[in-house]
Amino acid sequence: EAGVTQFPSHSVIEKGQTVTLRCDPISGHDNLYWYRRVMGKEIKFLLHFVKESKQDESGMPNNRFLAERTGGTYSTLKVQPAELEDSGVYFCASSQGLQETQYFGPGTRLLVL
Amino acid sequence: AQSVTQLGSHVSVSEGALVLLRCNYSSSVPPYLFWYVQYPNQGLQLLLKYTSAATLVKGINGFEAEFKKSETSFHLTKPSAHMSDAAEYFCAVRKAGGTSYGKLTFGQGTILTVHP
Repeated sequence: EAGVTQFPSHSVIEKGQTVTLRCDPISGHDNLYWYRRVMGKEIKFLLHFVKESKQDESGMPNNRFLAERTGGTYSTLKVQPAELEDSGVYFCASSQGLQETQYFGPGTRLLVL
Repeated sequence: AQSVTQLGSHVSVSEGALVLLRCNYSSSVPPYLFWYVQYPNQGLQLLLKYTSAATLVKGINGFEAEFKKSETSFHLTKPSAHMSDAAEYFCAVRKAGGTSYGKLTFGQGTILTVHP
């Protein structure tokens, strides 16, 4: 069974540009989470989908971030326009049920110059 | 609000020595507790989890952790370190109920170095 996959693995963009990150959860997992780790800091929760609905978006930093999960399968996280402080590693995780283990992808390393 | 504190951003041990990674948490409701490990260029992998059953939890690769409510701790141990244990370790907490109970709150991470 394939694990959580994320694309791209790395992205280098200039300030003001737009970047879209993609996450493919484990097949059949209704719950999908986005987390972010800024360099030197802890991993922080961004948001949680249950199927295609946003269950909790309390961690989204501002309105430059837009997450979608059309059809309840893969999810995208768009940053527009990107700022320097958006640099970091963006992790996606999925779980079958809410109480189940969250399985993490390898992350997307975003560098905003 | 929940929080997790990992004491020591870097821990260095000799191969064969005891590994002890410290984690203290605060939570307003009974928590679930987790240890994840991240090897270089890989995603986070679950080592073990506490979900209000036995307080001593055994995980993969010989790791275990003990939930101590009185000390609000969930320290990770392994009797004998192996070179392959070198990685970054994360302690995390999740609420067992209530609002936002899906999200994990992580500590700052501890980089474990194992030298021969």
